[in-house]
Amino acid sequence: GAGVSQSPSNKVTEKGKDVELRCDPISGHTALYWYRQSLGQGLEFLIYFQGNSAPDKSGLPSDRFSAERTGGSVSTLTIQRTQQEDSAVYLCASSLSGAIQFFGPGTRLTVL
Amino acid sequence: AQKVTQAQTEISVVEKEDVTLDCVYETRDTTYYLFWYKQPPSGELVFLIRRNSFDEQNEISGRYSWNFQKSTSSFNFTITASQVVDSAVYFCALSEKEEVTGGGNKLTFGTGTQLKVEL
Repeated sequence: GAGVSQSPSNKVTEKGKDVELRCDPISGHTALYWYRQSLGQGLEFLIYFQGNSAPDKSGLPSDRFSAERTGGSVSTLTIQRTQQEDSAVYLCASSLSGAIQFFGPGTRLTVL
Repeated sequence: AQKVTQAQTEISVVEKEDVTLDCVYETRDTTYYLFWYKQPPSGELVFLIRRNSFDEQNEISGRYSWNFQKSTSSFNFTITASQVVDSAVYFCALSEKEEVTGGGNKLTFGTGTQLKVEL
C-alpha cells in the first residue's frame, strides 16, 4: 500500500485478555518500529525490527509485551493479560534503513 | 540518556500571526538527527523535517522555517502567517545516527505542543 497501515483501528478488551495488534509497513521498508502514545507517558519507543530481527527491545514495558515480524514485512505486537495501564494508542512506523520514519494511523487500545 | 523538552504545552494564536514552537534537546552524542512531526486531530503523525547534527544551516519551506542552534541545543520551528489548518500537536524528536548505535534510529519525543489557530 501507499502508507503504513494498522489494524484494528480500535480495540476494546477486558482486563486479563490477550490482544494482537497488526502493522503493515510500507513495501520495501526494512526497518519497523512500535511506539506507544498515552496521556501519562507521552510518545515512547517500544521495539525496533530490522528485517525479521529485533535488535532493540529496550522499550517493552514488561514481559507481557512481545512482538514479531515475518517475511520482513508484517509485524504483530501482542499484549498478554492486559491491564488498564496498557490503554494507549499503539503506533507503528517504518523506514528504509537509517531513514525517515513514516507512521501509521495507530491502534487505540482500551482495557476495561 | 537522550531527552527532548518542549516547554510550551499549548499555544493559541489568531490566524495570520507568526508562531514559534520551542524545542530543547539533550544528548551525549556528537552525531544525531533532529525531527519535527505534526499530529493533526486525525491522529496520524506526519513527518515535517529532519536535520543532521552536523548541518546547522537554517531551513525554510513555504510558511515553515527551522532554526537549529547547537550552542543552545535548540531546534525551534516557526510557522509564518498561521492558518486554521495548522492546528495540531507538534512533536520534536531526537535520534542517534544509525552508524553510531549499530541499530535503529529510535525516536525520543518531546511531550508536544498543542497549537490552536483561531479565526
